[in-house]
Amino acid sequence: EAQVTQNPRYLITVTGKKLTVTCSQNMNHEYMSWYRQDPGLGLRQIYYSMNVEVTDKGDVPEGYKVSRKEKRNFPLILESPSPNQTSLYFCASSLWGGRAGEQFFGPGTRLTVL
Amino acid sequence: QQQVKQSPQSLIVQKGGISIINCAYENTAFDYFPWYQQFPGKGPALLIAIRPDVSEKKEGRFTISFNKSAKQFSLHIMDSQPGDSATYFCAASRLSGGGADGLTFGKGTHLIIQP
Repeated sequence: EAQVTQNPRYLITVTGKKLTVTCSQNMNHEYMSWYRQDPGLGLRQIYYSMNVEVTDKGDVPEGYKVSRKEKRNFPLILESPSPNQTSLYFCASSLWGGRAGEQFFGPGTRLTVL
Repeated sequence: QQQVKQSPQSLIVQKGGISIINCAYENTAFDYFPWYQQFPGKGPALLIAIRPDVSEKKEGRFTISFNKSAKQFSLHIMDSQPGDSATYFCAASRLSGGGADGLTFGKGTHLIIQP
C-alpha cells in the first residue's frame, strides 16, 4: 500500500530534550516536506527536500532540523524543544521533483512539549 | 504575510444543501490550486485541484470555480452529506518556472453537515 508513515504518532516530552520524528514514504517520491498544523493558523511548511541531500527552509524553520540521507526517509529533529513547538506535525511527499503537486500526507504526530 | 486567505472559518450546512468555501490569493505566479480534505485524526488528503487555464472543474459533487482576474477560487459541495463533515483547506503553489515552492495553505474551514 502506497503510504507515508510517521513515528511516533503521539509524543509528550519536556523542554530541552532532543527528539526525532521519523517519516518514511514507499512511493519513490523525490519531494518531501514537513508541516505543522496549529488551530487558526492552518498548515505551515517547516522544511522541504527536493531530493537526497537537498533540503531547504520553509516558512517556519526556526528550532527544527531535517536530513535526507535516503530518498524514502525525511526525519524531523528538534534539538532543544520548547513549549511553542507543541503542535500537530505532518510529513508529506510528492512525486514531482522540485514541485509541490499532489502531496500525500502522513497520519500526523501530535507533540506536546512541557 | 498570508498569501492565501480562506473563508469562512467554520460553516454549518443542512444535509442536501450546498456548501461554499472561498479562497483568495495574492501571488500571481501561483498556477496550481488544490483543495484538501481532513478528517479528525487523519492527515489532509487531496480532494480536487485546478489549473488556471480553466474556470471550473467538477468531480462528482465537488466543484472548483476559479476566477483568475479576481484571484479567487472556491469549492462548492453539492447535496452536502454528513460524511462531508471535515476541515477543508485551500492551497496554492507554483508548478512552472524555477525553484521548489511548497504548498501555501489557507487557514482551513471546519464544515459541519447537519442531518
